[in-house]
Amino acid sequence: AQSVTQLGSHVSVSEGALVLLRCNYSSSVPPYLFWYVQYPNQGLQLLLKYTSAATLVKGINGFEAEFKKSETSFHLTKPSAHMSDAAEYFCAVSDPSTGFQKLVFGTGTRLLVSP
Amino acid sequence: DSGVTQTPKHLITATGQRVTLRCSPRSGDLSVYWYQQSLDQGLQFLIQYYNGEERAKGNILERFSAQQFPDLHSELNLSSLELGDSALYFCASSSLRADTQYFGPGTRLTVL
Repeated sequence: AQSVTQLGSHVSVSEGALVLLRCNYSSSVPPYLFWYVQYPNQGLQLLLKYTSAATLVKGINGFEAEFKKSETSFHLTKPSAHMSDAAEYFCAVSDPSTGFQKLVFGTGTRLLVSP
Repeated sequence: DSGVTQTPKHLITATGQRVTLRCSPRSGDLSVYWYQQSLDQGLQFLIQYYNGEERAKGNILERFSAQQFPDLHSELNLSSLELGDSALYFCASSSLRADTQYFGPGTRLTVL
């Protein structure tokens, strides 16, 4: 079975500081990995995805993530936080071998950005 | 805007009642997925349909059912509602290649 662990339910940074949100996965097959963002009272928006091509993936709003098989990690980073980045971030994993795959989500990390 | 629409946006009802949530996928997407987001369970996969057929089931209660119609819209039916069913229900859709799911804005269900 696949699973995702997101370390830290809350992460606080100052505006302009580096953002690092951690995600570790467990999967018996090469996974697909995703980061979604949820703004208050809104749905989930895809930030970026890893689907077995380049290990460094760039997404929207200046975010990127690196797939590290040896560490079973897919951490999300952004060099400089902006106030508008305050939201909840979800890491998710799916099994591409099934053809029709569900997403298994982590518990989420709420990013707080202070001026 | 993901292109996935869900109605209604909010739903308030009483215990024991039955409700229907509706989802229209992105144009051209054949797969529809339903997820439940609650404070205690997080985001959980409920069920998936592909071109009208059920393809995968997750942690969906027997009181819940879904279907996908010929025009590809989907409905999630929740019956004998309990307080614990209060949650945000998301629909997502994907294309044939199915490597990415696009989520709708959700329906917030409150059971009183």
